[in-house]
Amino acid sequence: EADIYQTPRYLVIGTGKKITLECSQTMGHDKMYWYQQDPGMELHLIHYSYGVNSTEKGDLSSESTVSRIRTEHFPLTLESARPSHTSQYLCASSDGGRIQYFGAGTRLSVL
Amino acid sequence: QQQVKQSPQSLIVQKGGISIINCAYENTAFDYFPWYQQFPGKGPALLIAIRPDVSEKKEGRFTISFNKSAKQFSLHIMDSQPGDSATYFCAANSNTGGFKTIFGAGTRLFVKA
Repeated sequence: EADIYQTPRYLVIGTGKKITLECSQTMGHDKMYWYQQDPGMELHLIHYSYGVNSTEKGDLSSESTVSRIRTEHFPLTLESARPSHTSQYLCASSDGGRIQYFGAGTRLSVL
Repeated sequence: QQQVKQSPQSLIVQKGGISIINCAYENTAFDYFPWYQQFPGKGPALLIAIRPDVSEKKEGRFTISFNKSAKQFSLHIMDSQPGDSATYFCAANSNTGGFKTIFGAGTRLFVKA
């Protein structure tokens, strides 16, 4: 059982608000990832990190930002939420990069 | 070259039948091919994985068939059950791929009781 946690599970918020989606893992994995996914659809990599103070943009352009100050924590921030940001956000971690362990996701709705 | 193409997009199978999902890749540097299973409201979870030095791997009712020369691999679910209804993602990665996994677009499987 993977120990990776995402909060909140669901978030409904108004346009223009700043939000932070939390992701924490207790496995000591160096590598962490954020994906955007419409329910049951394709996974789009938006950010990844290979360790503390390392962050990279993924394949899908995103207006969100991430930080990696501690190994176990990889939060994602949207400075000004818009309806186009409505989606599910999945966080994952990996030790060797072969297998990714996913959290349950945050379903974001921006009104 | 980084894509993994997955088909079909959706699949309906009778209980007890065989579900088959196919994937193809271009990048010959890929050397690890996992399959993930995702239930509604959950994140994907590793189901089974294969390396290209074997042509088949079986775990219970789930089998991966791998054709290195054709750069194709497939997931077979034998005796499909309603509890297998989920979205399945094939994937690929490599030691030289920067620790990123390339996912297929997903297949929504529905097993009719």
